[in-house]
Amino acid sequence: DIQMTQSPASLSASVGDRVTITCRASQDISNYLSWYQQKPGKAPKLLMYGASKLQRGVPSRFSGSGSGTDFTLIISSLQPEDFATYFCQQSYGTPPWTFGQGTRVEIK
Amino acid sequence: QITLKESAPTQVKPTQTLTLTCSFSGFSLRTNGVSVGWIRQPPAKALEWLALIHWNDDEDFSPSLKSRLTVAKDTSRNRAVLTMTNMDPADTATYYCVKTVRDYDPLTSYYPIYFEYWGQGILITVSS
Repeated sequence: DIQMTQSPASLSASVGDRVTITCRASQDISNYLSWYQQKPGKAPKLLMYGASKLQRGVPSRFSGSGSGTDFTLIISSLQPEDFATYFCQQSYGTPPWTFGQGTRVEIK
Repeated sequence: QITLKESAPTQVKPTQTLTLTCSFSGFSLRTNGVSVGWIRQPPAKALEWLALIHWNDDEDFSPSLKSRLTVAKDTSRNRAVLTMTNMDPADTATYYCVKTVRDYDPLTSYYPIYFEYWGQGILITVSS
């Protein structure tokens, strides 16, 4: 199975901050990577796919980059509604499709 | 509008079989390229993909759980069902039903799958 490792596990930030979350795959997954946002008690929400493609309806302050094994999710100016846990997920080749362990973004 | 909703008994005893139904609207599992799947999340832990059933009757399973899982679809009633045998307390989790979206990579002609729509989730507790 392809292992997905996110860092950091958690971070504290203030409204307006630029936030960067990284995700590393245990092997080359091309750009077959997505990001999800999950708020407490809610289902995850697809934010980005294909590493850098913004899902419709997602604010443009979210951006993604990377290819191969290293990927980044950036929130350019953190808003109050962005405090949540973020997961990456790989879709390379055959199943299983695996997720990172999550990054919790908390209010400083 | 696309919606999905999971239904199942919320309490299951060890060794019992879980039958989890996903009822959906706004799309059809007869449509080319459409797939419905299940993902679970133990309390305060990460997400784990379990299974997919595709429009063409193909099925995919997590290798670690394959021996315990079956999937089926009822396209006339817009439902999909996941069955998990021999439940264990370690299977306690919120189970989500998901609809996939397929991207396309023209360089490789590969269609990577992402989880575009999610049900609200249902917490299944396995305990004697």
